Amino acid sequence: GAGVSQTPSNKVTEKGKYVELRCDPISGHTALYWYRQSLGQGPEFLIYFQGTGAADDSGLPNDRFFAVRPEGSVSTLKIQRTERGDSAVYLCASSPGIVEQFFGPGTRLTVL
Amino acid sequence: AQTVTQSQPEMSVQEAETVTLSCTYDTSESDYYLFWYKQPPSRQMILVIRQEAYKQQNATENRFSVNFQKAAKSFSLKISDSQLGDAAMYFCAYRSRAQKLVFGQGTRLTINP
Repeated sequence: GAGVSQTPSNKVTEKGKYVELRCDPISGHTALYWYRQSLGQGPEFLIYFQGTGAADDSGLPNDRFFAVRPEGSVSTLKIQRTERGDSAVYLCASSPGIVEQFFGPGTRLTVL
Repeated sequence: AQTVTQSQPEMSVQEAETVTLSCTYDTSESDYYLFWYKQPPSRQMILVIRQEAYKQQNATENRFSVNFQKAAKSFSLKISDSQLGDAAMYFCAYRSRAQKLVFGQGTRLTINP
């Protein structure tokens, strides 16, 4: 069956630009998570959706980061005025609401 | 806040041998889950094994098993009969009622043929 997909696979942008990263969860999964993984580190939680609403956005580092899930399926992570420190792999995961989270392949963001 | 610590940045093992990866965590909660994830160069996090804190029996999945010591807040992963395909980054993770996963820093496992 289809897993979690993320697009684009890689994104290179210039400092100050706006970027959108997309996550398509496994069909029927109600919960969706975003994590950020810096080089050589473990993933760090950003935000969690239950359905259409953000149940926990405590991991968003600042107000340049925003995420939406308008129809309770696809989610978009939006980063305004990108900075070089935003360079990382952004991972998305979905869950049917029990225990396991199923991860996508991630989007590698490089801010020049 | 919960924290997860993996004190071994790198480990190596001979093919067919056994290796143990260490993980400790800190929490004040009594009900939680622990996981080991594998991350190959493809970046995709793959669930290896999970443990419910309320279960005393250690989880086992084929060649993978854990040693869960709740009082010591320790959760190590043992890989038996290591195979070349086991080479990857391994992350220990904690999940509480808050749903989000808290990850350790990872251990890079190398398998020597």
